[in-house]
Amino acid sequence: GQQLNQSPQSMFIQEGEDVSMNCTSSSIFNTWLWYKQDPGEGPVLLIALYKAGELTSNGRLTAQFGITRKDSFLNISASIPSDVGIYFCAGPTTSGTYKYIFGTGTRLKVLA
Amino acid sequence: NAGVTQTPKFQVLKTGQSMTLQCAQDMNHEYMSWYRQDPGMGLRLIHYSVGAGITDQGEVPNGYNVSRSTTEDFPLRLLSAAPSQTSVYFCASRMGLWENQPQHFGDGTRLSIL
Repeated sequence: GQQLNQSPQSMFIQEGEDVSMNCTSSSIFNTWLWYKQDPGEGPVLLIALYKAGELTSNGRLTAQFGITRKDSFLNISASIPSDVGIYFCAGPTTSGTYKYIFGTGTRLKVLA
Repeated sequence: NAGVTQTPKFQVLKTGQSMTLQCAQDMNHEYMSWYRQDPGMGLRLIHYSVGAGITDQGEVPNGYNVSRSTTEDFPLRLLSAAPSQTSVYFCASRMGLWENQPQHFGDGTRLSIL
């Protein structure tokens, strides 16, 4: 079945550094979604991508829909302590049954 | 506007007990779903509903039942709790049925089965 692999699994960075993470699949996706989950809370949508090659920003966050449609990237510029959390990519399955699948997440820890 | 509300936030059960996790949304969303989150495994879909009276299975449906009698509510039932069902459960909803619509999540129910 379809799987979404996220890399890295976890990372420690210094405050002020830029962060890059990615999400890859062996299958083609028509939509990529990036969520952030703060400790003890549910995921919150950060960015949605709907077209191959699309580059979308939300404040310090920038996400790209890969040209091959099998990957997506999320960058965070000038990280701050509140960026800590788990970042998930997600996308709809191609089975046509209204389902999403989620990646395993990238856990980000920011050192002040 | 409360969004997606889940109750309870925490629960401890004994093996074999039954329980219902509640989920309500006030956004008139057609689509609702239940996920479980386990360490290192992301979120896995348990059941979903595309409207009142319509439900279907997700990736890991065994041991769980759902019903959708109203647009607002989508309860998840554990008929006979097992330790393997210890997890954090999230309910989510979205306006349309199409997969490219983003979902809104509740804050989760943390369930422990002893």
